[in-house]
Amino acid sequence: QVQLQESGPGLVKPSQTLSLTCTVSGGSISSGSYYWSWIRQPAGKGLEWVGRIHTTGSTNYKPSLKSRVTISIDTSKNQFSLKLTSVTAADTAVYYCARESPGIGVDYWGQGTLVTVSS
Amino acid sequence: QSALTQEASVSGTVGQKVTLSCTGNSNNIGSYAVGWYQQISHGAPKTVMFGSSLPSGIPDRFSGSKSGTTASLTISGLQPEDEADYYCSTWDSSLSARVFGGGTKLTVL
Repeated sequence: QVQLQESGPGLVKPSQTLSLTCTVSGGSISSGSYYWSWIRQPAGKGLEWVGRIHTTGSTNYKPSLKSRVTISIDTSKNQFSLKLTSVTAADTAVYYCARESPGIGVDYWGQGTLVTVSS
Repeated sequence: QSALTQEASVSGTVGQKVTLSCTGNSNNIGSYAVGWYQQISHGAPKTVMFGSSLPSGIPDRFSGSKSGTTASLTISGLQPEDEADYYCSTWDSSLSARVFGGGTKLTVL
């Protein structure tokens, strides 16, 4: 059973960079043809896809966030990471990491971590 | 404005059959499998359907279908524990991005 766990600072100052890591257990992050994704949810709002990285390293990002987002993968640590630059209060949200299976969609989710952007 | 359109709210009584819908276009639902995600009391989402397949551990009262650019999640024999927010999602080839619906709040009366 694949498990994902987010980690990182819960508070980020405006204009700074949000950095989160997702640790995958129960399987190798580099095995299979999966995508490893970040999805966020502002308080009281719906789910918003941020982006994903394939086990080959190729990435896709939400168009409106593309200029600020970088997702990377570290197969030696079985982790993948999110960096979001120049954050504002609008980036305050619960951030989930997840696994996407081709042709199926998201099958496993992390528990989520709240990131607040405030001075 | 979400790329996929869902009802804001749906309600039903225990034992009833309810159907949630998710409408998109030919670039998303018309071309790719749709996933459905259950979120109870703002906890972590849980996948309850991908395409028309049930993930392990999900009761078979949940079923999924698609016709053209509209996908549906049907819950037959509604239970109190089914009360949750439900989101649909799929890939969008015109955006090269995954898109979500705005979510449906399901209330069990």
